[in-house]
Amino acid sequence: DQQVKQNSPSLSVQEGRISILNCDYTNSMFDYFLWYKKYPAEGPTFLISISSIKDKNEDGRFTVFLNKSAKHLSLHIVPSQPGDSAVYFCAASAPGDYKLSFGAGTTVTVRA
Amino acid sequence: EPEVTQTPSHQVTQMGQEVILHCVPISNHLYFYWYRQILGQKVEFLVSFYNNEISEKSEIFDDQFSVERPDGSNFTLKIRSTKLEDSAMYFCASRLDAGALGYEQYFGPGTRLTVT
Repeated sequence: DQQVKQNSPSLSVQEGRISILNCDYTNSMFDYFLWYKKYPAEGPTFLISISSIKDKNEDGRFTVFLNKSAKHLSLHIVPSQPGDSAVYFCAASAPGDYKLSFGAGTTVTVRA
Repeated sequence: EPEVTQTPSHQVTQMGQEVILHCVPISNHLYFYWYRQILGQKVEFLVSFYNNEISEKSEIFDDQFSVERPDGSNFTLKIRSTKLEDSAMYFCASRLDAGALGYEQYFGPGTRLTVT
């Protein structure tokens, strides 16, 4: 299942700087997009989402941007903090029962 | 804050044995899901459950798998005859059918299944 792709397996960023995570999708039926954060030995934790009728959604330090024409979304974390070090998954869903299709994840490391 | 719980956290079983993984979704949620993540791979959808029946299942979810909501709170995944390749983290998730409020799924901590 290659419908959701995260092409950067890892990202290293200095504390206080911006982290930008990218995600591409191929299924034009997707209309809802989510970002999850995962620590080792834990389940994915919901971070932020965006509907296809919007192009931006902001929640505190987290902002998600959606470019439907490019089938691309990104997550911005500003400022990055050490506790943000985790694996971040992009996920997408289509109308119906909204099962999630996940990307492979990007491991973010925030350096002090 | 309400959360999804899963038991056990780790299950070791021999090939060919039956296992049942347990989940308690968030109480007012209406959609329930199982996903799995094989080590080093993506999180994969297995099955969704709504209104006491399967609403969708993936190719992975073959006749060896079944789900049940035996009472008003539990949601179980059964694997009848486990194979080595069933070794994975199994995540339960639930979603509130809230339309305009969003379609976020909330995940449990997972059960690590090891088949030997």
